[in-house]
Amino acid sequence: GAGVSQSPSNKVTEKGKDVELRCDPISGHTALYWYRQSLGQGLEFLIYFQGNSAPDKSGLPSDRFSAERTGGSVSTLTIQRTQQEDSAVYLCASRRQGANTEAFFGQGTRLTVV
Amino acid sequence: DQQVKQNSPSLSVQEGRISILNCDYTNSMFDYFLWYKKYPAEGPTFLISISSIKDKNEDGRFTVFLNKSAKHLSLHIVPSQPGDSAVYFCAASATYNQGGKLIFGQGTELSVKP
Repeated sequence: GAGVSQSPSNKVTEKGKDVELRCDPISGHTALYWYRQSLGQGLEFLIYFQGNSAPDKSGLPSDRFSAERTGGSVSTLTIQRTQQEDSAVYLCASRRQGANTEAFFGQGTRLTVV
Repeated sequence: DQQVKQNSPSLSVQEGRISILNCDYTNSMFDYFLWYKKYPAEGPTFLISISSIKDKNEDGRFTVFLNKSAKHLSLHIVPSQPGDSAVYFCAASATYNQGGKLIFGQGTELSVKP
């Protein structure tokens, strides 16, 4: 597709289970970002991939959170041993080469931990 | 450490009048700024951007102003329309220092009343 695709769109999981969220960026975009939006909050930066550089993981809230980007394309955000406070909308964005360009967002994955 | 701040969580404007959304930042290394619009259950969509070498950028009804000395930017929408009702996020990036990591504010919910 032409846009950023995220799956699943909704995920309900039990506390303590692991979840994987997937992001397919726009083809050719070298930068990929993950953000989290909790209820009533802003966009919280989680992690940033740029080409072959080491990812910027400075926004990951705990060691239960990790992310990979395979082959410079698809990215997976993994949350281990989910907690209720992990409930949020997880948004992925991609951006083409060069920093002074806009980032394009997917529709997000709404994660609910029960 | 909130590097990008939107201090007004909400704004209500009459249709046809001007909407002014404000954003402040603390990191003097930021050199590219963007505004996004977000409807419920959708990902943010790009509206307009400005580079730090400019102090104004205009696109139709939307104008962004940048005051580098005050570390302040604003988005003007004129005339405002009911379809503009959404949450607006400002974002900033530092090209050379942080490699294009995008940091967002908390958002301002704009309501345009007919």
